[in-house]
Order: sequence, then C-alpha cells, then structure tokens
Amino acid sequence: DAKTTQPNSMESNEEEPVHLPCNHSTISGTDYIHWYRQLPSQGPEYVIHGLTSNVNNRMASLAIAEDRKSSTLILHRATLRDAAVYYCILRDDTGTASKLTFGTGTRLQVTL
Amino acid sequence: GAGVSQSPRYKVAKRGQDVALRCDPISGHVSLFWYQQALGQGPEFLTYFQNEAQLDKSGLPSDRFFAERPEGSVSTLKIQRTQQEDSAVYLCASSPRGSWGRRTVSYEQYFGPGTRLTVT
Repeated sequence: DAKTTQPNSMESNEEEPVHLPCNHSTISGTDYIHWYRQLPSQGPEYVIHGLTSNVNNRMASLAIAEDRKSSTLILHRATLRDAAVYYCILRDDTGTASKLTFGTGTRLQVTL
Repeated sequence: GAGVSQSPRYKVAKRGQDVALRCDPISGHVSLFWYQQALGQGPEFLTYFQNEAQLDKSGLPSDRFFAERPEGSVSTLKIQRTQQEDSAVYLCASSPRGSWGRRTVSYEQYFGPGTRLTVT
C-alpha cells in the first residue's frame, strides 16, 4: 500500500475552519483517498473519501490536488467534538480485500 | 442503535490464559474485519471475512491468534496463551459489501468501540 504523511498534531480554535493536510506522493491510479477519525476511547469513524474530484458531505470536504499527490480534509467550523485523531488512508479498491492501512494520523486539538 | 458491538469492553487476562473476544457486526453486512491497536498507534489489520469465509489472515501476528465467523454474522477472535505484547485494543469493523471476482466494491467500514485487553 502507498504511504501517507501527516503532521503529528494540529490545533484549532472553535468555530474556525481547519485544514488537515496529507501527502501521498506514491499514490497509484487505483488508490482512493479515505479519511477516518478516532475520538477518544472510540473506534474509528468514516469521514469522507474520494478519487480525483473534490468531495463534500455533511461532515467535511475533501480537496484533492490535481496530481493527486496530496489532499486536504477541511472541517468548515471546528467544534470541541471534532477533537480526534484524523487518519488519511490510501486504499486500492480493485483488490480482493478492502482492508484499511492506518498510519499514526494527526491529533487535532480544538480550543475555546 | 444498530451499530457494531463488541464484548467484553475490557478484559484482563493473566499471561498464559486463553481469551475470546466477540464482535456483532451490523446486520446484513457481508464483510468483517479485525484490527489491533497498540497504545499511541493507529489500528493494524489482523484478518478479514467475507460472509463465513476468511479471505485474508495475513495480519495475524502468530498462530496463537485465531478468528472465526461460522455463520457469516457474529465473529470471535481467540488468543491462546496470551502474552504481555498482546495487550492492545482489538477493534472489529463491518462493511456492507465485499468482493466479487477481481473487483472490490468500496464501502466505508463501521467500527465497534473495541475491546481493551490487558495481559498481566
């Protein structure tokens, strides 16, 4: 699986936008970009995924660079409940097993 | 709710004991995954089931680890002769679709809360 690189931690003020970067320079053409987050003492939770085009859902937006070597997860208005570890994951969705390969993620702190 | 449930939530075992961890996936979900998460690390894949078939067990760390899903729903992860290095959170995830032939249909995975195993 291609590797992703994320900052270890980031801080944000509540109600401000947060941009969480992810580098994946070795991404292959069949790799989807997935984002999950893990709140304290909980299992990971799906956030969003995309292939080439930018994606929006009720939780977040995903901006994908034109060369697909990087992406950014955007939380439009951070709240205290968004404090979590955010994982950027590449997954080849043409294989026979769709396991997720997590890195160490970015720990997001949200302050008042 | 009708999410993924795991039991027990916490398990303390003495070194050398056998443990069994249970996962109840979301009803109707074809795929089931087990992951192991050490403190401060991201989850690591252990094994994958599509219905009752175990299609990938490449992540199981040793032959002391065994997983089954005999009827294609509930799954059990068993660890024999537990060691201190087995201490971790064990996460189960399910997904509504699996693979057909050489093509995988991609759906998100829904995780349970995990079982925290402490081996003393």
